[in-house]
Amino acid sequence: DVKVTQSSRYLVKRTGEKVFLECVQDMDHENMFWYRQDPGLGLRLIYFSYDVKMKEKGDIPEGYSVSREKKERFSLILESASTNQTSMYLCASKVEGNYEQFFGPGTRLTVL
Amino acid sequence: QKEVEQDPGPLSVPEGAIVSLNCTYSNSAFQYFMWYRQYSRKGPELLMYTYSSGNKEDGRFTAQVDKSSKYISLFIRDSQPSDSATYLCAMSAWIKAAGNKLTFGGGTRVLVKP
Repeated sequence: DVKVTQSSRYLVKRTGEKVFLECVQDMDHENMFWYRQDPGLGLRLIYFSYDVKMKEKGDIPEGYSVSREKKERFSLILESASTNQTSMYLCASKVEGNYEQFFGPGTRLTVL
Repeated sequence: QKEVEQDPGPLSVPEGAIVSLNCTYSNSAFQYFMWYRQYSRKGPELLMYTYSSGNKEDGRFTAQVDKSSKYISLFIRDSQPSDSATYLCAMSAWIKAAGNKLTFGGGTRVLVKP
């Protein structure tokens, strides 16, 4: 069964803290994605990775960085969290060349 | 103006009714169209996929694409309370490239009342 897991369901952090969100997939997918989801705005792509150690900026990369040292794991890093980064963060993965993205359950991050 | 527009709802219907959802878009390069369903506290899951214009049917679900009008629709027949969810349209210009991205609508929340 297809599985994408995210390290936390809920997270509360303070402004200025460094935040790590982790995503793991067990499907041997080449491509992985990080989105944020906000009411009325849908999903917006932050970063994606098409292979290990490869990364590309999405539509809203400012304030974020990513790391992909292993094929199954894709990390999103908020270097210095700010209140406007309070959001639902969704990770997804897919097979190279396929259209279907498989999503994790999401991490709801609150920055105080 | 957003690249993909979708009415946020909520759309409330009685059980058994037809649910009609739609999205409009501005980028004429889009040719791959998807509908995702997202239950509360879950990630989205792919429901329907359509390439270019035309209709596609899968059980109670029908997806339609009208590229000339830049308009896509999803119909749910004989709606059930289990169809209550947020429905997100998504579209893409180029699917084969590793880094190709999806552009999502904001999602429509649907509530099917027993």
